[in-house]
Amino acid sequence: QTVVTQEPSLTVSPGGTVTLTCGSSTGAVTSSNHPNWFQQKPGQAPRPLIYDISNKHSWTPARFSGSLLGGKAALTLSGVQPEDEADYYCLLFYGGIQRVFGGGTKLTVL
Amino acid sequence: EVKLVESGGGLVQPGGSLRLSCAASGFTVSSDVMNWVRQAPGKGLECVSVIYSGGRTYYADSVKGRFAISRDNSKNTLYLQMSNLRAEDTAVYYCARDVSWGYDYWGQGTLVTVSS
Repeated sequence: QTVVTQEPSLTVSPGGTVTLTCGSSTGAVTSSNHPNWFQQKPGQAPRPLIYDISNKHSWTPARFSGSLLGGKAALTLSGVQPEDEADYYCLLFYGGIQRVFGGGTKLTVL
Repeated sequence: EVKLVESGGGLVQPGGSLRLSCAASGFTVSSDVMNWVRQAPGKGLECVSVIYSGGRTYYADSVKGRFAISRDNSKNTLYLQMSNLRAEDTAVYYCARDVSWGYDYWGQGTLVTVSS
């Protein structure tokens, strides 16, 4: 069973920078995993932020960026705003068909 | 404008069946990859089923043999037929579009509760 791992929780100060990571039980995350990142606030549907490693949707704020870092997918928030407090999920593709979400990271802005 | 609207959720007894619908507008469901993603109360996201434009389907092991994904091109609607439901299937079910390795549009979700 493929497992995608994320930090359960992170805390960042307003205006600061934080990096969330997304690892795979199968080994290094690569471009063939096409990492996606989503933000979810309570009672809302997930909001897509990043697709295929680093591509932004038209609605994604500039302070969000995606990359591959040390064998993992990474989501970096620069200049964190209070409204960035939310749960963040990554998604990895396997073999082009299986899709596995990470367990999510609860980001606190404090 | 792309929009996805789910319906069909509700309370069902264990072993029962339910069919979820996802009405799409602003694009054609048969042209893109469509997904059903669920989220149990207080838990994370799980991709339960996918249908490709060519008709190929994928199911998570947790629902294989019990759930069936389909679409009606004339109604531009995606479906998820769920049978032999279990308590652990209780979740909010979202439909989502997948274009070029990216999930872009999601519906608002429909709640399925499996309980006696």
